[in-house]
Amino acid sequence: DAGVIQSPRHEVTEMGQEVTLRCKPISGHNSLFWYRQTMMRGLELLIYFNNNVPIDDSGMPEDRFSAKMPNASFSTLKIQPSEPRDSAVYFCASSPRDRGMNTEAFFGQGTRLTVV
Amino acid sequence: QKEVEQNSGPLSVPEGAIASLNCTYSDRGSQSFFWYRQYSGKSPELIMSIYSNGDKEDGRFTAQLNKASQYVSLLIRDSQPSDSATYLCAASTGGFKTIFGAGTRLFVKA
Repeated sequence: DAGVIQSPRHEVTEMGQEVTLRCKPISGHNSLFWYRQTMMRGLELLIYFNNNVPIDDSGMPEDRFSAKMPNASFSTLKIQPSEPRDSAVYFCASSPRDRGMNTEAFFGQGTRLTVV
Repeated sequence: QKEVEQNSGPLSVPEGAIASLNCTYSDRGSQSFFWYRQYSGKSPELIMSIYSNGDKEDGRFTAQLNKASQYVSLLIRDSQPSDSATYLCAASTGGFKTIFGAGTRLFVKA
């Protein structure tokens, strides 16, 4: 398996532009997570899905952020409009469920977003 | 109060020593606990998972869980310079949510 695949790896955009981050989870994993990592705040959980359904989006910082999972093999995180404070590394992770509990989350390589 | 708390470090140990990393969590409903290692510029990778009270050993790594004290620890024996990284503690409730601590930076001096 190729693991969790994220694209793009790097994104530089101007303030006010729309940014779309993409993620392909590991086949067979039924939980998907979007995290944001910064030096100041560490690894923050933004939103997570189970069986393509958003379970908790309370970590999404503002209405400018939205996420979708139209099918089991694809998810997007969109920021519109983007702001410099959104600059961070965004990770997607997927995880199987076993006996009703979360097991290991496998992380993608991340997307380094810079908003200028 | 943060849901998962760790000392940010840095923790510095000499090569060959035991490194001890600690973590506390606030949600008593947490059922699964994980230690991840993250090298600079890379993504987190799992080192250990633990689900029940007690110790779990895997090679040079031992994870310890005490649910009554809401405490998780990771011991690294015979520390190597290649162990220098940030170690992230994570806790997961039965409701899918996996929360990470801010991480502890470990430096192993040769």
